Amino acid sequence: GAGVSQSPSNKVTEKGKDVELRCDPISGHTALYWYRQSLGQGLEFLIYFQGNSAPDKSGLPSDRFSAERTGGSVSTLTIQRTQQEDSAVYLCASSLGLAGGRGRDTQYFGPGTRLTVL
Amino acid sequence: GNSVTQMEGPVTLSEEAFLTINCTYTATGYPSLFWYVQYPGEGLQLLLKATKADDKGSNKGFEATYRKETTSFHLEKGSVQVSDSAVYFCALSDQRGYNKLIFGAGTRLAVHP
Repeated sequence: GAGVSQSPSNKVTEKGKDVELRCDPISGHTALYWYRQSLGQGLEFLIYFQGNSAPDKSGLPSDRFSAERTGGSVSTLTIQRTQQEDSAVYLCASSLGLAGGRGRDTQYFGPGTRLTVL
Repeated sequence: GNSVTQMEGPVTLSEEAFLTINCTYTATGYPSLFWYVQYPGEGLQLLLKATKADDKGSNKGFEATYRKETTSFHLEKGSVQVSDSAVYFCALSDQRGYNKLIFGAGTRLAVHP
């Protein structure tokens, strides 16, 4: 079946512009995660969705970052007034959202969106 | 807080050599442990996992054993191939944090013929 898809695959923007990154999770997956992969910080958690709600936003680096999920499916990560330090690969992952987790709830990653802020 | 430490790379090996990539963790409770792999130009893929102490995860000739006493989850392979060249990430699942993954810094492996 189809995996996690993300768009665009690459985004180049100018400092100060807003950007939207999209994630389409695997059908039927209720849990959705956003991560960021950058040279200086490695792989970092940003936000977690269960259905349409986001019980954990603790990884969002500033109030310029926001995300939403609609219909329990597609998610959009928005970065306002982009800065050069926002340049990174933004990864989305989805999982079944099994209660209790403990590794049975494997996260499947998309190919990522490479964001470059000039 | 929870954290993962893995050996720095790059690791450069000849084909058929033995591979070990060290990973240790700090966590409260009983996390699940994972190795993810990122091949050049591709996304993160789950390589193997272990959900409790003394479990051994294995896949594609790779193995790792969840050692609670040493808080380690070292990745091993007896005979590497050129196609194993990739970046390997050790991670733990933060059960108290909705199972979000906490990753190590990644170790780049280069295997030469």
